[in-house]
Amino acid sequence: DIQMTQSPSSLSASVGDTVTITCRASQGISNYLAWYQQKPGKVPNLLIYTASTLQSGVPSRFSGSGSGTDFTLTISSLQPEDVATYYCQEYNSAPFTFGPGTKVDIK
Amino acid sequence: EVQLLESGGGLVQPGGSLRLSCVASGFIFSNYAMTWVRQAPGKGLECVSSISGGGTGTKYADSVRGRFTISRDNSKNTLYLQMNSLRADDTAVYYCASGWNFFDYWGQGTLVTVSS
Repeated sequence: DIQMTQSPSSLSASVGDTVTITCRASQGISNYLAWYQQKPGKVPNLLIYTASTLQSGVPSRFSGSGSGTDFTLTISSLQPEDVATYYCQEYNSAPFTFGPGTKVDIK
Repeated sequence: EVQLLESGGGLVQPGGSLRLSCVASGFIFSNYAMTWVRQAPGKGLECVSSISGGGTGTKYADSVRGRFTISRDNSKNTLYLQMNSLRADDTAVYYCASGWNFFDYWGQGTLVTVSS
């Protein structure tokens, strides 16, 4: 099975900062990677798929990049409503594995 | 508007069984693969099982294979998860979600607690 890691596990940033979260796969997954946002007490929400395609309705301050084993999620100009845990998920080979999550809060 | 509504969760003893249901609306259900994703309390997300739109293709996590069975009734717009031989580590919120690879719509989830 493919293992997914994320770094950092948590971060605190100021409103307006640019935040970058890294996701790494234990083997190459091409661009078969999705990112989700889960706000406290809420349901996960798809942000990005195929590593860099923004899901409809997601604010443009979210962006994704990467291919192979290394991927990033960037939030430009962090907003208070972005407080959440962010998960990456590979879908290159079953079982499709999620990363452990990165918790983002406001400093 | 897409809606997914799960039901069937609850408290069950180890070794027991439960059947979860997920009623879909707002899209052509039979055109979409569906997946059950679970989240243990305070933990991350795990893909449990998926089924193709027509119901002929399925996949399972190793942790549930042989104990859980996914199915669907497209005439009722309903997805199911039959869970047998439940264990304490099956305790989680179970979400139904649309998709096979990644998941664009999610239900609110139903809590399954396995405890004596």
